[in-house]
Amino acid sequence: KAGVTQTPRYLIKTRGQQVTLSCSPISGHRSVSWYQQTPGQGLQFLFEYFSETQRNKGNFPGRFSGRQFSNSRSEMNVSTLELGDSALYLCASSLALAGGGNEQFFGPGTRLTVL
Amino acid sequence: TQLLEQSPQFLSIQEGENLTVYCNSSSVFSSLQWYRQEPGEGPVLLVTVVTGGEVKKLKRLTFQFGDARKDSSLHITAAQPGDTGLYLCAGARGNQFYFGTGTSLTVIP
Repeated sequence: KAGVTQTPRYLIKTRGQQVTLSCSPISGHRSVSWYQQTPGQGLQFLFEYFSETQRNKGNFPGRFSGRQFSNSRSEMNVSTLELGDSALYLCASSLALAGGGNEQFFGPGTRLTVL
Repeated sequence: TQLLEQSPQFLSIQEGENLTVYCNSSSVFSSLQWYRQEPGEGPVLLVTVVTGGEVKKLKRLTFQFGDARKDSSLHITAAQPGDTGLYLCAGARGNQFYFGTGTSLTVIP
């Protein structure tokens, strides 16, 4: 079974631009979560989507948004990029069975550099 | 405020030594996962522990979930350079996962 895939792997943008990152979960996984990882802040939760609905949201500004499609693929968008948005953006998928506590499996990440 | 605190934050040891990484919280989790992450890559799931007091072994790695399901430890026996990486614990509560602060391990040949 193929793992979580993320595209692109690397991205360079300038301040003020917007960016869209893509994530394809493991087949059969309905939950997709997004995280931002930086050396100073560690792994920070952005949001989680389940069945095309945002179910949980972290403490990030409205410039960060996402969506999930009917095939469970997810996209994350960051508008009006700032230098501080430079980070590794990770996507994780899980089965999200009733009762919670499922395991999350991560993609390789997208390294975003904002100049 | 981080829900899960890991210690130590950094660890540098010689090949062959033993080490323990701790993951502590005041909150109860339904399960806890341990991941290892290499630079520029996504975290790779090592193990999931579910039952309080549970111990799981993965070759030279031993994982333990606290009796109260609030904390966990990872013990590595005879560390090797290939064990180098960032170790992350993650606790599950309902549909949400809370990640620890991470432990950066360097094993020197």
